[in-house]
Amino acid sequence: DTAVSQTPKYLVTQMGNDKSIKCEQNLGHDTMYWYKQDSKKFLKIMFSYNNKELIINETVPNRFSPKSPDKAHLNLHINSLELGDSAVYFCASSPRGAYNYNEQFFGPGTRLTVL
Amino acid sequence: AQSVTQLGSHVSVSEGALVLLRCNYSSSVPPYLFWYVQYPNQGLQLLLKYTSAATLVKGINDFEAEFKKSETSFHLTKPSAHMSDAAEYFCAVSGGNQGGKLIFGQGTELSVKP
Repeated sequence: DTAVSQTPKYLVTQMGNDKSIKCEQNLGHDTMYWYKQDSKKFLKIMFSYNNKELIINETVPNRFSPKSPDKAHLNLHINSLELGDSAVYFCASSPRGAYNYNEQFFGPGTRLTVL
Repeated sequence: AQSVTQLGSHVSVSEGALVLLRCNYSSSVPPYLFWYVQYPNQGLQLLLKYTSAATLVKGINDFEAEFKKSETSFHLTKPSAHMSDAAEYFCAVSGGNQGGKLIFGQGTELSVKP
């Protein structure tokens, strides 16, 4: 009965490869997010979708492409992986649309290592 | 624009001692403020949030925080530290036309000594 789940938990790959990270939430929330946590544990928003519509797209390289097939899923596809993409990627969701006072529920994270 | 500064990347306390983790924010609009905790190799869990109601906010595990507009602060406290409180703590702000995104501070690692 995990609220926000991500797969895989660990991902090790070579530079130049393409990979995807999947996220699913069973909370019935409308809004989902992707955050990146770097090696210094700094967290930064990447994308946000509200009911399958992209509402936040930070200055992220266009090698990163989010896809939301339905409001319970938000996947992250990364093309041509680079060393600097190594990080922990967190998916999160929040209820009732993209209101600023809503708590965000985080997944367990996907640790991406690019060799 | 919004930003958060957490003073002290690492705080160490003895078990049973007061925990004080500092957070200062900058926001051109009324802020919503959050404290999250991250245990090793896990996701973030909400401790408490300020959403313009009471300025003293109580959260889980006896944590609380006080919103002080004059000082632009939202410090996190706990009267008595437990070993299980050892974790990374993040202060975050949202507000205005930001689409609900959270702006995080740099994080503070709390160590608890027996």
